[in-house]
Amino acid sequence: DAKTTQPNSMESNEEEPVHLPCNHSTISGTDYIHWYRQLPSQGPEYVIHGLTSNVNNRMASLAIAEDRKSSTLILHRATLRDAAVYYCILSRGYQKVTFGTGTKLQVIP
Amino acid sequence: SAVISQKPSRDICQRGTSLTIQCQVDSQVTMMFWYRQQPGQSLTLIATANQGSEATYESGFVIDKFPISRPNLTFSTLTVSNMSPEDSSIYLCSVYYLETGGAETQYFGPGTRLLVL
Repeated sequence: DAKTTQPNSMESNEEEPVHLPCNHSTISGTDYIHWYRQLPSQGPEYVIHGLTSNVNNRMASLAIAEDRKSSTLILHRATLRDAAVYYCILSRGYQKVTFGTGTKLQVIP
Repeated sequence: SAVISQKPSRDICQRGTSLTIQCQVDSQVTMMFWYRQQPGQSLTLIATANQGSEATYESGFVIDKFPISRPNLTFSTLTVSNMSPEDSSIYLCSVYYLETGGAETQYFGPGTRLLVL
């Protein structure tokens, strides 16, 4: 499995934008970039995914570097409910994936 | 999307006993997985539950300790056998679901919180 690297933790003020980085320098051409988050005492939930182009959905935006070796999950206005561990994962679809340690996001009121 | 339920949601068990965890999906899915998440840690894949054949286990996990059944495309069970306190973890069921538009998205159940005394 291609590996991803994320900061262990980040802080953000409430109502401010948050940029969560992920490095994946060994990404292959068929790997999709997926982001999941795990709220306290819950299973991980899907946030967003992309291949080459930037993606937007109701939860977040995903910015993918031109060389695809890094990506950034963008939460446009952090709320207290966004406090979670965010995982960046590479997936080829229907393949087992490896979860890294993720980034623990703390949102400060 | 796929909705996954797990039973039980939590349990406290005595060492030496076994617990079977059920995973039910509201749609037919090809790939089902079982993960373990120890306190304060990330997720570790235990095995891939294969429909109609034996599960595929990851390094460090064996069938005698974690027998898995997958009788159909919507249901699977994981048994934690001969439990010890080191088995205290959250156990999560996960599936790949084919979305409209062709993308495969991985969904997770809410987890089963197991405490072994």
